[in-house]
Amino acid sequence: SQQGEEDPQALSIQEGENATMNCSYKTSINNLQWYRQNSGRGLVHLILIRSNEREKHSGRLRVTLDTSKKSSSLLITASRAADTASYFCATEKGGNEKLTFGTGTRLTIIP
Amino acid sequence: SQTIHQWPATLVQPVGSPLSLECTVEGTSNPNLYWYRQAAGRGLQLLFYSVGIGQISSEVPQNLSASRPQDRQFILSSKKLLLSDSGFYLCAWSVSLTSGYEQYFGPGTRLTVT
Repeated sequence: SQQGEEDPQALSIQEGENATMNCSYKTSINNLQWYRQNSGRGLVHLILIRSNEREKHSGRLRVTLDTSKKSSSLLITASRAADTASYFCATEKGGNEKLTFGTGTRLTIIP
Repeated sequence: SQTIHQWPATLVQPVGSPLSLECTVEGTSNPNLYWYRQAAGRGLQLLFYSVGIGQISSEVPQNLSASRPQDRQFILSSKKLLLSDSGFYLCAWSVSLTSGYEQYFGPGTRLTVT
């Protein structure tokens, strides 16, 4: 079964605006990761946040994690046309080398 | 640096025909290897993963099988394809970090069963 559920399923914003995507999961985790997928391509790892971390930054990306609510958010600031892609969250349980992926958010940046 | 190769990029096969998709990783030793399937507009479904040569874990009962004949080679196979086997197949490898496992994906194979 799917561990993660992204929200919204699809998001369209104007270039330059900020984009926020959310992910909810069901069980305790070791870490949560975000990936990007351009159409018809493989996934690219963006950022990993451990269960004992609350916020992490990487360039224009900001990820938060609330383990009490079992949720995470990905914020992309000052969006660009090249950010158009699908974004997936994935969770890793402790001591398990598998990831469970969510259903993804399709982000479209309008030039 | 590490790279991952998948081939072919696209494949059209008739129902009942066999399948063999290959994935190889360069620049790393003893990686964990994974096969995923992605239906159109959907998330990733883990099919198989392997932590070493000859060690295969199956996640979903299905018409497919996987093998790992060499450390950096992972093969997805079927003896007889079904229409429902159509999809986008992704191979990935992972490295163990202190924070957990990050996965790195190949370019994928789009399989259409007709």
